[in-house]
Amino acid sequence: DGGITQSPKYLFRKEGQNVTLSCEQNLNHDAMYWYRQDPGQGLRLIYYSQIVNDFQKGDIAEGYSVSREKKESFPLTVTSAQKNPTAFYLCASSSGGQETQYFGPGTRLLVL
Amino acid sequence: DQQVKQNSPSLSVQEGRISILNCDYTNSMFDYFLWYKKYPAEGPTFLISISSIKDKNEDGRFTVFLNKSAKHLSLHIVPSQPGDSAVYFCAAGVTGRRALTFGSGTRLQVQP
Repeated sequence: DGGITQSPKYLFRKEGQNVTLSCEQNLNHDAMYWYRQDPGQGLRLIYYSQIVNDFQKGDIAEGYSVSREKKESFPLTVTSAQKNPTAFYLCASSSGGQETQYFGPGTRLLVL
Repeated sequence: DQQVKQNSPSLSVQEGRISILNCDYTNSMFDYFLWYKKYPAEGPTFLISISSIKDKNEDGRFTVFLNKSAKHLSLHIVPSQPGDSAVYFCAAGVTGRRALTFGSGTRLQVQP
């Protein structure tokens, strides 16, 4: 079954702690993306990666970091520098031409 | 600067009637557009897309219309069903650039 998986579904962060959100895809897509959604708002791009070992900042990259060591995986780390991390985080992937992005189920991050 | 705008935060229609969701954009470089449907606490699901070389694309109950001169697109759902109740996001992209720009979403409620 092809798709995008995100884990965990819920994640709790303590003050000053770094946490990592997992995103895996088996669609053989080249590009992967991380978005953040806040209540009543649209999706804002955090980071994206077009190929392995390469990634670019999106509109709201401050306080986040990513890696792309494998085509299938694009983990997002929410660092202690991100002062307002509570949000719903969505991972997506795409491949080819005019590209439809396909989304995972999301991770909700809450601060303790 | 919001390049993709969905000015109606919510819309309510009766089951069986037509739902029309609107989206405006400002960036003339956008050459393809997509609509996504999102349920709470889930990832967006791709619905339908349109290239800027077309002015209409139809898929079952869903039709997207593009008016390039007005920089406006709309999604028509006919007939509307209660299961269509969700938040609908408009997104726009530039071929080769990969990252999409999303609107803030419109919450559609279809009353039985």
